[in-house]
Amino acid sequence: AQTVTQSQPEMSVQEAETVTLSCTYDTSESDYYLFWYKQPPSRQMILVIRQEAYKQQNATENRFSVNFQKAAKSFSLKISDSQLGDAAMYFCAYRSPGNQFYFGTGTSLTVIP
Amino acid sequence: KAGVTQTPRYLIKTRGQQVTLSCSPISGHRSVSWYQQTPGQGLQFLFEYFSETQRNKGNFPGRFSGRQFSNSRSEMNVSTLELGDSALYLCASSLTSGPNNEQFFGPGTRLTVL
Repeated sequence: AQTVTQSQPEMSVQEAETVTLSCTYDTSESDYYLFWYKQPPSRQMILVIRQEAYKQQNATENRFSVNFQKAAKSFSLKISDSQLGDAAMYFCAYRSPGNQFYFGTGTSLTVIP
Repeated sequence: KAGVTQTPRYLIKTRGQQVTLSCSPISGHRSVSWYQQTPGQGLQFLFEYFSETQRNKGNFPGRFSGRQFSNSRSEMNVSTLELGDSALYLCASSLTSGPNNEQFFGPGTRLTVL
């Protein structure tokens, strides 16, 4: 069965600094999708970034980028120039070819002014 | 374009009762997925509906069921409620089914079972 592990329940970062959130997953599939979602205190989940497993190039969305290591089954999220609005719970998610979603337990990010 | 809407936003029920939650997807989206979010178990996939058919199902008991209507609106039903069913239930919609489709989440329905 697929599992997604986020080993950092809480992280903090100084405003304008860079922080990296870790995620590892387990799968026997070769083609799948990985996502990072953000859930602010208002509770609405927002897609931050996604990565297709068949693409070797790491995805980037403005200040957000990933380090995708397929062999190591690792998918970390880097947030550059952290802003107060980045404070939220971040979930790593794996989507199988069969379209089932598996989420990690989340990392709570605090941004310190 | 309006986002995903879920009704009601908050609900309080007692053990043994049943409950129905509603989700209206973004206009034009035909796929609706449901998730349960609890502090202990995190986010867990319940099921996905596409064109009124259940496409995928997570590992939940048969007390959890759903359906989708021709206008893509979806309902989720939980029968014989248990205390452990207290959770935030999230609905997400996407244009079509398939792993490369971006999902847009609603604000959730907070269910409390007493």
